[in-house]
Amino acid sequence: AQTVTQSQPEMSVQEAETVTLSCTYDTSESDYYLFWYKQPPSRQMILVIRQEAYKQQNATENRFSVNFQKAAKSFSLKISDSQLGDAAMYFCAYNANNAGNMLTFGGGTRLMVKP
Amino acid sequence: DVKVTQSSRYLVKRTGEKVFLECVQDMDHENMFWYRQDPGLGLRLIYFSYDVKMKEKGDIPEGYSVSREKKERFSLILESASTNQTSMYLCASRYPGPYNEQFFGPGTRLTVL
Repeated sequence: AQTVTQSQPEMSVQEAETVTLSCTYDTSESDYYLFWYKQPPSRQMILVIRQEAYKQQNATENRFSVNFQKAAKSFSLKISDSQLGDAAMYFCAYNANNAGNMLTFGGGTRLMVKP
Repeated sequence: DVKVTQSSRYLVKRTGEKVFLECVQDMDHENMFWYRQDPGLGLRLIYFSYDVKMKEKGDIPEGYSVSREKKERFSLILESASTNQTSMYLCASRYPGPYNEQFFGPGTRLTVL
């Protein structure tokens, strides 16, 4: 079974600085998709960024970017110019292409942003 | 904007009660999901439905059942609630395909006394 591990239960960052959240996964598949989801306090979870495993280029979405290391099975999220609104739970998730609808989530990292 | 709504934000029930959690989405998505969220464990899939009247077990289906009679509505049923089912329950929906984004509801925090 696939597993997704987020080794940092909590992280903090100063406003305007950069922070990196870690995620590793275990799989024997070669074709899969990786996601970062954000869950703000008392608000709905939303997709931040996604990566297709067959693409070597790292995905970016404005201030959010990933460092995808396929051989190391690592998928970290970098948040640049952190803002107070970035404070949230962040979940890394994995979906193998042949697994249909089965999305596997990590345990989450709580990010605090200090003003 | 996709909207996924859940019938209650907070729910308190007693052990042994039958509990219904309702989820409705307005984007005509074929796929719908029920997750359970616990601290440190992330989200774990209970059941998903890939179309009306179709369902498959997820990772932790024991003690739960589901119903999908209409495309927009997916219900989670706790046949006989137990204290270890106290948790946050999240519903999600999406178009079919592993690359597609899942859209989440606000969650129901269920407490079983």
